[in-house]
Amino acid sequence: EVQLVESGGGLVQPGGSLRLSCAASGFTSTSYWIHWVRQAPGERLVWVSRINGDGSRTTYADSVKGRFIISRDNAKNTLYLQMNSLRAEDTAVYYCARVGDSSAFDLWGQGTMVTVSS
Amino acid sequence: DIVMTQSPDSLAVSLGERATINCKSSQSVLYSSNNKNYLAWYQQKPGQPPKLLIYWASTRESGIPDRFSGSGSGTDFTLTISSLQAEDVAVYYCLQYYSSPRTFGQGTKLEIK
Repeated sequence: EVQLVESGGGLVQPGGSLRLSCAASGFTSTSYWIHWVRQAPGERLVWVSRINGDGSRTTYADSVKGRFIISRDNAKNTLYLQMNSLRAEDTAVYYCARVGDSSAFDLWGQGTMVTVSS
Repeated sequence: DIVMTQSPDSLAVSLGERATINCKSSQSVLYSSNNKNYLAWYQQKPGQPPKLLIYWASTRESGIPDRFSGSGSGTDFTLTISSLQAEDVAVYYCLQYYSSPRTFGQGTKLEIK
């Protein structure tokens, strides 16, 4: 089955860190850009970061630049989002999403919830 | 950043009737070299990730019922559900992927009247 599965979310205090994982299966993940998109409760979807197939190119939203690091381990078909210096406004469901041949996000994980609170 | 604005914020339509959702971008998302609009539509149900319905503004994703259609070009786009079914109750989002950062509309909540 073609799928993305996120994990690693949870409750963390402000200033803390978390590492999210996104496991890809059923397709050759090295052929695709993968993005992270987040959604705060009741809010719109917001793009966070992206990485190309071999991990050599990355981009970040201004709101997370310098705090989040995206990476991938293609031997494990897994992508990561290392989140440092977390703030209350980072509280959201985090999705990983694949960019398909259409250039749109054509495959999404089920999401993992991150809550930043003391 | 390109700002995406949807209208209305919420919409109630009777079963079997037409539902129309609009999306406006703050700048054109039409790439002149290939004449493609970098605009997609997604459906999101509670507790689920977004599901791709339409890409290139008007191309239906595989497996999406033909009651869903997309139209528009440049800065103004429309998602139309020709005959509303109960399973279409959801929040609908537009996405521009013309430039980075990719940006979404605020969402339109579609309900049954």
